[in-house]
Amino acid sequence: AQSVTQLDSQVPVFEEAPVELRCNYSSSVSVYLFWYVQYPNQGLQLLLKYLSGSTLVKGINGFEAEFNKSQTSFHLRKPSVHISDTAEYFCAVSDWSGGYQKVTFGIGTKLQVIP
Amino acid sequence: EPEVTQTPSHQVTQMGQEVILRCVPISNHLYFYWYRQILGQKVEFLVSFYNNEISEKSEIFDDQFSVERPDGSNFTLKIRSTKLEDSAMYFCASSGRGDTEAFFGQGTRLTVV
Repeated sequence: AQSVTQLDSQVPVFEEAPVELRCNYSSSVSVYLFWYVQYPNQGLQLLLKYLSGSTLVKGINGFEAEFNKSQTSFHLRKPSVHISDTAEYFCAVSDWSGGYQKVTFGIGTKLQVIP
Repeated sequence: EPEVTQTPSHQVTQMGQEVILRCVPISNHLYFYWYRQILGQKVEFLVSFYNNEISEKSEIFDDQFSVERPDGSNFTLKIRSTKLEDSAMYFCASSGRGDTEAFFGQGTRLTVV
């Protein structure tokens, strides 16, 4: 079974400050890791994904995440946030165990960018 | 770029009524999924569907729910008799054999009144 823990339910940060949204996962098999963003009243948009290879993954809107296998973490970072980054961010893992792809989401972190 | 499309984007229904949420997965995909997000909560797995049958369903997916691929292009989720607690955003997703990710639609917001 796989699980995802997002340690912070809300993260307030001032505009142009850096931010890190934390994500830890557990799984008994190799997994793929994702970050999705959800703007108010909208659907899920894929920010970035880690499949294999380089542990630093760059995504859209200036976000990046680092896969750390020993710490089973996949934290999301942005060096300078904008007001438009205010949204909810979901960390997710997926694998093909059981013959189909199952995605497990974390509970989400609300990023509030303060002007 | 191919995408998963869901209709309608928002549906309001009265408690006890049947609703059908529709999804058109990416055309060459073989695996289909429904997820649910109750307002303010995380996205939860409901069901996966492959080769015209359910692969796995969660405990949420009780007898009130059913899925169907009626015509080779659509993938539907039916809720037989809606309850207030069925109000949520419902996401459809699909993936191909060997894909590294599932591709999500924009969701249907279901409001049961």
